[in-house]
Amino acid sequence: GAVVSQHPSRVICKSGTSVKIECRSLDFQATTMFWYRQFPKQSLMLMATSNEGSKATYEQGVEKDKFLINHASLTLSTLTVTSAHPEDSSFYICSASTGRISGNTIYFGEGSWLTVV
Amino acid sequence: ELKVEQNPLFLSMQEGKNYTIYCNYSTTSDRLYWYRQDPGKSLESLFVLLSNGAVKQEGRLMASLDTKARLSTLHITAAVHDLSATYFCAVETSGTYKYIFGTGTRLKVLA
Repeated sequence: GAVVSQHPSRVICKSGTSVKIECRSLDFQATTMFWYRQFPKQSLMLMATSNEGSKATYEQGVEKDKFLINHASLTLSTLTVTSAHPEDSSFYICSASTGRISGNTIYFGEGSWLTVV
Repeated sequence: ELKVEQNPLFLSMQEGKNYTIYCNYSTTSDRLYWYRQDPGKSLESLFVLLSNGAVKQEGRLMASLDTKARLSTLHITAAVHDLSATYFCAVETSGTYKYIFGTGTRLKVLA
């Protein structure tokens, strides 16, 4: 079946640095991908919708200059957390849509744990 | 703005018992999903409910959807310890493919 892969699965970075998380659809083309964050013992919060070849659409309250999203190809979206702070430590999950033609099935990645120290 | 609420938030139950988790949402939607999440892991898809009256069952779990009441239920029959996890419902906002997740229900099944 379809697989969505995230990399890295775990990352530790220092405050003030930037870190990039990749989301890849391994066996289908995804024109739309989504990024979520999840704090411990909380629900998933949608951060942004990533569209191939265009700017991402951010949800209200999400800083687009801090969370840079790039969807440069039909199989790859990246989330860059810039000038990371400890409060950015979270579990980040992406999902990818197969699109209308393929029944618009959504597949979730394995998630990426970010710890900012 | 679409809001999705689940109850209960926490559920501790004995093995062999039955229980129902409720998912209410605030606006019309085409699709509703149920997921399971184990600690430290991503989401495991359980059910996709696409129409009013839809009912799906897999093992000890059964999900249903009432679009008129904007309510979905996840029923657990004869719970076993392996069902311990957090369960989320998610509602797709019409035409956007965006999922809004419920608050989650942390289930603990006691042996």
